[in-house]
Amino acid sequence: SQQGEEDPQALSIQEGENATMNCSYKTSINNLQWYRQNSGRGLVHLILIRSNEREKHSGRLRVTLDTSKKSSSLLITASRAADTASYFCATDRIQGAQKLVFGQGTRLTINP
Amino acid sequence: DVKVTQSSRYLVKRTGEKVFLECVQDMDHENMFWYRQDPGLGLRLIYFSYDVKMKEKGDIPEGYSVSREKKERFSLILESASTNQTSMYLCATLRDTEETQYFGPGTRLLVL
Repeated sequence: SQQGEEDPQALSIQEGENATMNCSYKTSINNLQWYRQNSGRGLVHLILIRSNEREKHSGRLRVTLDTSKKSSSLLITASRAADTASYFCATDRIQGAQKLVFGQGTRLTINP
Repeated sequence: DVKVTQSSRYLVKRTGEKVFLECVQDMDHENMFWYRQDPGLGLRLIYFSYDVKMKEKGDIPEGYSVSREKKERFSLILESASTNQTSMYLCATLRDTEETQYFGPGTRLLVL
């Protein structure tokens, strides 16, 4: 079953604007990760946030985690055309933590 | 740099054919994964291997088998391909001491 659910499914913004994507999950986690997928390619890891962290930054990326609401958000600031991609959240499983559960993804389009 | 390669980018097969998808990694990672990716469903785990000759079923193993005879190579086998196995197949690896998965470029399989 799908644990991570991203929202929105698709997002289109102008270059320079900020993009926010949300992820909800159902069960307890050790950590939550965000991955990016360029069209027709494999996924690339962006950032990991642990269950005892509330916020994490990496360059133009900001991730928040609210374990009480079982939700996370990914903010990309000052978006660029090269940020056009699909973004997936992934949660680990308490049992068998090596295995990740991925959401359906948010398709982000940055218009020049 | 971790390198994960998949034997084919695109593959067209006939219903009933036996299909082999191969994944090779060069970073000595203990864990390897096979996912399939379908629109609206995100990534779903088919099989997982945590060591040579060791395998574990994922969420959707029906119709698939796997083989891991060497640490660097993980094969996904479709014993008798069916049209509902048309999909994008992604291989990933993971080191025991880490949490980030590294993905190959994917194989887009079309079963006619």
